[in-house]
Amino acid sequence: AQKITQTQPGMFVQEKEAVTLDCTYDTSDPSYGLFWYKQPSSGEMIFLIYQGSYDQQNATEGRYSLNFQKARKSANLVISASQLGDSAMYFCAMRERGSNYKLTFGKGTLLTVNP
Amino acid sequence: GAGVSQTPSNKVTEKGKYVELRCDPISGHTALYWYRQSLGQGPEFLIYFQGTGAADDSGLPNDRFFAVRPEGSVSTLKIQRTERGDSAVYLCASSLTETDYNEQFFGPGTRLTVL
Repeated sequence: AQKITQTQPGMFVQEKEAVTLDCTYDTSDPSYGLFWYKQPSSGEMIFLIYQGSYDQQNATEGRYSLNFQKARKSANLVISASQLGDSAMYFCAMRERGSNYKLTFGKGTLLTVNP
Repeated sequence: GAGVSQTPSNKVTEKGKYVELRCDPISGHTALYWYRQSLGQGPEFLIYFQGTGAADDSGLPNDRFFAVRPEGSVSTLKIQRTERGDSAVYLCASSLTETDYNEQFFGPGTRLTVL
């Protein structure tokens, strides 16, 4: 079974609008972390936001917020006020304490921000 | 400060040849990871080092792949008898420790093409 599922291969959003990128995960480990990374066409992986499984509040980092619904095992990324520079691949990833902290990535969502 | 660096940025080789890919992690980072990213996919875990030892090599696809980190800093990923299916971007990441909240910082990757 897929540990990380990103069901949206591609998303389009108008500049200045908000967009939600979906991520669901599967784990039986009670301790885990969820990450979102951005990968522009240049190829580097840029860390955006982190949510720990025991965190009580949803993580926020500037225009990025993580809608963490633990019971549903979802960790959607919300980008507010989209900018043209947000156009990139976005990867959701999970790190389980029982798996030596390696990251397991989803297949990614290609976000295109239209002017 | 310097981030994770990887050399070469691009490597083109012929089927059957041996290649070495180098990763220089952020100074002081004890945990080091190698991932492989095939076209259109998320990165996939290959191997994890804690210090000098390979703590988890469960992601190495077969015995043609080997990695070392002799002094606990620079790591080299070695691929023998390369095959066309080895073509991918090889990403290296490092983190301060292996605790779950520590983000992994990724290098720019080495794009390997096997002809």
